[in-house]
Amino acid sequence: QVQLVQSGVEVKKPGASVKVSCKASGYTFSVYAMHWVRQAPGQRLEWMGWINAGKGNTQYSQKFQGRVTITRDTSASTIYMDLNSLRSEDTAVYYCTRGWFYDLWGRGTLVTVSS
Amino acid sequence: EIVLTQSPGTLSLSPGERATLSCRASQSVGSSSLAWYQQKPGQAPRLLIYDASSRAPGIPDRFSGSGSGTDFTLTISRLEPEDFAVYYCQHYGNSLPMYTFGQGTKLEIK
Repeated sequence: QVQLVQSGVEVKKPGASVKVSCKASGYTFSVYAMHWVRQAPGQRLEWMGWINAGKGNTQYSQKFQGRVTITRDTSASTIYMDLNSLRSEDTAVYYCTRGWFYDLWGRGTLVTVSS
Repeated sequence: EIVLTQSPGTLSLSPGERATLSCRASQSVGSSSLAWYQQKPGQAPRLLIYDASSRAPGIPDRFSGSGSGTDFTLTISRLEPEDFAVYYCQHYGNSLPMYTFGQGTKLEIK
């Protein structure tokens, strides 16, 4: 079954870091670009960055440059999104998606940042 | 950075009616790299249309996309109860500095 399975809910304090995982199955992992998109409560979708699942090269939104790191483990068909220096405005649902237009989405991971 | 502006913000219609949603880009979108997504509460978005007018697999033919350059339209020919949701447009490509979304159009039951 073609799917992206994300890790579970996270609750973090301001200043902490979070690492969200996204495991792909049912297709050839290395041939696709993989993106992270987030959505704060009641807000629009916001692109964070992408990784070439095969080569490992990355590109990040300027908004998150320096705070976000996207990596992948090809042996596990999994990508990761690491976001540091968390603040309350980072409270959102974080989605992993596949491709240039996003034909496959994970279910999302809720990250709550609160003291 | 290309800015996408969707209109209207909210569209109130009845089942069976035709819906027309607009997405305008601040500059020309190369190669019609424009997608449309549907999002229901508590769910991930679902791809409807890519390359401005190509329907994604499994999407009913009542959904259609059109446009080029800076002006794009998503049309739902006859609304079904399950079509009431939020719709986003997105510009994409393999060499862009940013992948932007519009602010969304909420399609609600009148």
